[in-house]
Amino acid sequence: DAKTTQPPSMDCAEGRAANLPCNHSTISGNEYVYWYRQIHSQGPQYIIHGLKNNETNEMASLIITEDRKSSTLILPHATLRDTAVYYCIVGGSSNTGKLIFGQGTTLQVKP
Amino acid sequence: DAMVIQNPRYQVTQFGKPVTLSCSQTLNHNVMYWYQQKSSQAPKLLFHYYDKDFNNEADTPDNFQSRRPNTSFCFLDIRSPGLGDAAMYLCATSRDAWETQYFGPGTRLLVL
Repeated sequence: DAKTTQPPSMDCAEGRAANLPCNHSTISGNEYVYWYRQIHSQGPQYIIHGLKNNETNEMASLIITEDRKSSTLILPHATLRDTAVYYCIVGGSSNTGKLIFGQGTTLQVKP
Repeated sequence: DAMVIQNPRYQVTQFGKPVTLSCSQTLNHNVMYWYQQKSSQAPKLLFHYYDKDFNNEADTPDNFQSRRPNTSFCFLDIRSPGLGDAAMYLCATSRDAWETQYFGPGTRLLVL
């Protein structure tokens, strides 16, 4: 499974959009991009995933570049409750479904 | 409402004393995963069950074992806990490989 690179930390003002980047330059054609987040002392929570096209759900939007080597998770109106570690994970080429977590981005939403 | 339940939430054990952590799910999912998360680190997969098929990660110590007696329950057994096994243990389920994983709240293990 391809590796991902994320900035270790980011700040965002409450009510503003949070844009979290992820590089996955070695992604292969059949691998998806998944985003999970982990709020302090809780289990990780699924946010969104995509293959090629941009995706949106009630939590976030996922923008994947045309060459698929990078993506951006967008939280349109960040709240204090969005403070968490955000993990970008690439996978789907194996038959195990195992998630290989990198170090993620710690997003701090500030009032 | 709880979908993936882990008991207990906190477990204290003594060095070398066997301990079992439990996970149950109400989702009827085929796949169950156990992850270990040490302080300030990312979760790391220990093993998973696809239905009754057990899949061990290559670097999971022999000290860690798992049982899945039925679809709903999965157990993590640590035969002889060491101080280095103190961590949060996370259980997750998914309907199939690469479908959304639903995580439980975790069990925090302390080894004295």
